[in-house]
Amino acid sequence: EVQLVESGGGLVQPGGSLRLSCAASGLTFSHYWMSWVRQAPGKGLEWVANIKQDGSEKYYVDSVRGRFTISRDNAKNSLYLQLNSLRAEDTAVYYCAKVLGYCTGSSCLFDYWGQGTLVTVSS
Amino acid sequence: EIVMTQSPGPLSVSPGERATLSCRASQSVSTNLAWYQQKPGQAPRLLIYGASTRATGIPARFSGSGSGTEFTLTISSLQSEDFAVYYCQQYNNWPPLTFGQGTKVEIK
Repeated sequence: EVQLVESGGGLVQPGGSLRLSCAASGLTFSHYWMSWVRQAPGKGLEWVANIKQDGSEKYYVDSVRGRFTISRDNAKNSLYLQLNSLRAEDTAVYYCAKVLGYCTGSSCLFDYWGQGTLVTVSS
Repeated sequence: EIVMTQSPGPLSVSPGERATLSCRASQSVSTNLAWYQQKPGQAPRLLIYGASTRATGIPARFSGSGSGTEFTLTISSLQSEDFAVYYCQQYNNWPPLTFGQGTKVEIK
């Protein structure tokens, strides 16, 4: 059974930093693209970032590019998201998600999700 | 960026009735569209991909249709566990990957 478990969320001041982790089990982690998707309180889903199996390709939504960094450690079956220069509008539950198949020009969707970790940016 | 717009919002349905949810894309996404279900306090769950293919373990009462810019998710006979928020997502042209704003299916 595929399991994705996020950690690292918490309360941080505007301008601060946080590192989220996602521990994966029940799958050959190194075979899959992985993603982060977030959801602000009471709002919809927003894709944040993707990373290829070997980490050679990374993509970001414009609103976080230059502030957030996605990375992975296949030896540890772990996905990460470094959040810098945090803003109030980054407050959300951050989900780790496994990509179904591959991310290509016309394919990138999510078949397994973690339970999420809450990031609150407030003074 | 492709904007996804869902309707109606929200949808009140009685158990056992049919629910029809719509998703419109601001430009064609072919059939590169997925539907997710999210219950309160839970992560989203993949229901449909390729506009009409049910994901593993999804009951046959869930069906998807459409192509181009207009898509429909139909729940043929609503069960109590189906009351939730449903999101569509396009993956035809990215980044960014984009979701609709969600449709809440509530008990009438």
